[in-house]
Amino acid sequence: GAVVSQHPSRVICKSGTSVKIECRSLDFQATTMFWYRQFPKQSLMLMATSNEGSKATYEQGVEKDKFLINHASLTLSTLTVTSAHPEDSSFYICSASRQWDQPQHFGDGTRLSIL
Amino acid sequence: AQKVTQAQTEISVVEKEDVTLDCVYETRDTTYYLFWYKQPPSGELVFLIRRNSFDEQNEISGRYSWNFQKSTSSFNFTITASQVVDSAVYFCALSAPNTNAGKSTFGDGTTLTVKP
Repeated sequence: GAVVSQHPSRVICKSGTSVKIECRSLDFQATTMFWYRQFPKQSLMLMATSNEGSKATYEQGVEKDKFLINHASLTLSTLTVTSAHPEDSSFYICSASRQWDQPQHFGDGTRLSIL
Repeated sequence: AQKVTQAQTEISVVEKEDVTLDCVYETRDTTYYLFWYKQPPSGELVFLIRRNSFDEQNEISGRYSWNFQKSTSSFNFTITASQVVDSAVYFCALSAPNTNAGKSTFGDGTTLTVKP
């Protein structure tokens, strides 16, 4: 089946640091990738839709200057958490899907801890 | 609007018991797809099944079975003879072409704990 690789799996860093998370679609070209945030024991919260070659579409309430998304190629999307603070600590998950009627294939997630 | 409701927040069963996870959805689209995903404690979400709105045939895959009923807008998931390895959070999701820009809407998830 399709594989999505997400890196790094875990990040611990100091407040004020910017952190980049990579999401690669290994098996297919993904024109659209999604970024989610998940708090403990809660559902997936869609942050943004990453579109190859164009600007990401952010969900309401998500700061686009805080969470920079770049979809540089059909297989790579990156999420940069700029000047991270403890409240940004969370589990971030990316996914890729061929199209709307196909299942999403998820990365393993990145556990971000800001001290 | 599009909505997925998983009313059961947490379920706990003893190994070998059967368990059904409920999923009720709302959409105005006549064409849509429903999905179930599993998120084990390790965190990675795994796709389990996809069902389109025109196919109400129930599906069985090993110990897993799914019951899709358009009349009640439900897509329930049953695990037969549950095992400890089934312990996970299970998400139901809905995707439609004309609503929410084709993005999937996820339910809040049901945490299943299977005790030995």
